[in-house]
Amino acid sequence: GENVEQHPSTLSVQEGDSAVIKCTYSDSASNYFPWYKQELGKGPQLIIDIRSNVGEKKDQRIAVTLNKTAKHFSLHITETQPEDSAVYFCAASARGSTLGRLYFGRGTQLTVWP
Amino acid sequence: GAGVSQSPRYKVAKRGQDVALRCDPISGHVSLFWYQQALGQGPEFLTYFQNEAQLDKSGLPSDRFFAERPEGSVSTLKIQRTQQEDSAVYLCASSLGGRTYEQYFGPGTRLTVT
Repeated sequence: GENVEQHPSTLSVQEGDSAVIKCTYSDSASNYFPWYKQELGKGPQLIIDIRSNVGEKKDQRIAVTLNKTAKHFSLHITETQPEDSAVYFCAASARGSTLGRLYFGRGTQLTVWP
Repeated sequence: GAGVSQSPRYKVAKRGQDVALRCDPISGHVSLFWYQQALGQGPEFLTYFQNEAQLDKSGLPSDRFFAERPEGSVSTLKIQRTQQEDSAVYLCASSLGGRTYEQYFGPGTRLTVT
């Protein structure tokens, strides 16, 4: 099955700085890569996603890049704010063969200091 | 609009008791997933429904775990004879299905087995 590795496990940045979280995946059949933000006591919230036919996607301060050849994808958050503090999860899915089940990384605890 | 809801939000069970966890997906969503999230980990897939059909239950850890979605909307995850290792947050996610990849999560049910 798919194996998703996520780094770093913790990340601390100053408000206004950028944050980058990286993930790798093992299954070349994976073609959908979402990112979720999870705040304490809440369920994961979808913040951005990318499909394998696209190399980069941006939504305001958040961007995701995908390198299919190297099997890695990254989340970039610019101009970080204290409310960005949360656990971020990357995930991968291979539509079709596994009907969309998501394989998650272990998460990155992001802390943004004011 | 209403998101995915789950009940109860918290459940404490004595070892050996049976529990039932409920998920109300977003109205009209065909696909429904259950995930288990251990403390400090990413969610792990348990089972998947397309309408009322359970198409993938490969992630259920033992035959003590059972899930159903009899009318293609509300789903129930049942755990029989609970054990301490069952303690986790149980997350439900729904998706429109078809060519739609995005999964939206509920707040989860935190199960503690004592």
